[in-house]
Order: sequence, then structure tokens, then C-alpha cells
Amino acid sequence: NAGVTQTPKFQVLKTGQSMTLQCAQDMNHEYMSWYRQDPGMGLRLIHYSVGAGITDQGEVPNGYNVSRSTTEDFPLRLLSAAPSQTSVYFCASRRGRAVQETQYFGPGTRLLVL
Amino acid sequence: DAKTTQPPSMDCAEGRAANLPCNHSTISGNEYVYWYRQIHSQGPQYIIHGLKNNETNEMASLIITEDRKSSTLILPHATLRDTAVYYCIVRAYNNNDMRFGAGTRLTVKP
Repeated sequence: NAGVTQTPKFQVLKTGQSMTLQCAQDMNHEYMSWYRQDPGMGLRLIHYSVGAGITDQGEVPNGYNVSRSTTEDFPLRLLSAAPSQTSVYFCASRRGRAVQETQYFGPGTRLLVL
Repeated sequence: DAKTTQPPSMDCAEGRAANLPCNHSTISGNEYVYWYRQIHSQGPQYIIHGLKNNETNEMASLIITEDRKSSTLILPHATLRDTAVYYCIVRAYNNNDMRFGAGTRLTVKP
């Protein structure tokens, strides 16, 4: 299986534009989440989902929307891009609730907002 | 989740053991210690996790002190490909997210 996939790999936006970052996993994982990583820093949680139809906010949710209509997909939407959203975005998934469950990360989407 | 403290950077000679420390003095009884690494801006990669016993897998060993306030990740024979940022994360049961700090940048030198 492909694991966690993300598209696009790179994106340049102008301030005020909108876009959707795609994330998909083929492991039938319940949990999916989005992180952003700014240069020289660790990952910060944006939004997460514990199953289809259920989402919740993480540490830095402002400026981002998510939905989870299927188990496989968890898109992240930027409604009006700002330069402060220039970052690398990682999607992750894990099988279930237990703390022992390993979290798997996608390869990342590098976003530049001008 | 308990906070963790890691040194910002460490060096290790190729072929030697790399010992990466992590302090988590406020850890509570139901929280696990996880280690991930990130190689050159790729997605983080799971290494190992544990609760209170020492753990070993094909990648590394995890030593957790008896009071659980600190732990050490050991890469037994570091290679150049182990150069990465290593994150120590403490996570509670049923916690929905993983909080990453700045991690330790390990540089393995020839």
C-alpha cells in the first residue's frame, strides 16, 4: 500500500488566494491529522479527525478548514492565504485510539504565500 | 501532555553509539514516551515508544529511568544516514495529537 500520500508537493500562492491540500491514506486508519512546520521548528497540530464526519481543532487552527467525508481522505483548505501560512504541511494517520498506535506521516507539501 | 526537554544539537562519530537524552519530569502514569526522527524535512518517522520498561527494536533502544522523569534513545551503531532531528514526545492514552518540540539535531560525522 502507498501509506499516507499528499498532493501537491509544492505550491506558490498569492495573498488572498484559496487552495486545498490533499491527503489520503490507504491503511483504513481512523485518525488523521494535519501539522505545519515552520523553519527550524517542530510540528504544530492544525486540525485532526477521529473518524469520518468528525473533526476538531488542534493547536493552530485559525485560517484553515477541514472535513472528513470518507475514511481515506482528509483535505485541508486555506480560504484566504496569508504570508504567515508559508510553511511545510504534513498529514498523518494512525489506526485507532490506543496510545500505542504508531502515527504515520506523509511526505509533506511545501507552501509559499507571496 | 507532559513537556519534554531535549538538547538542541549533538554530534556522534560514525559507528559509535548515539545517546539522545530527554527530560520529561512532569510525566504522568498513563503517558507514553515516543521517539520520532525527521530526516532533511521529510515526514517524521516513528522510531520507538515505551511506558516504563526498556524497549528495543531493529532501529534503536529506549531506556526509561525508574522514576520515568527522563529517557534516552540509543542508536547502537550510528551511520551517516542517521543524521536527523530527533523528537521526544510524551503522549497520554487516547490523546488525539502529538506535540512536537524543537527536537535534537543529531549529526553523525565520518
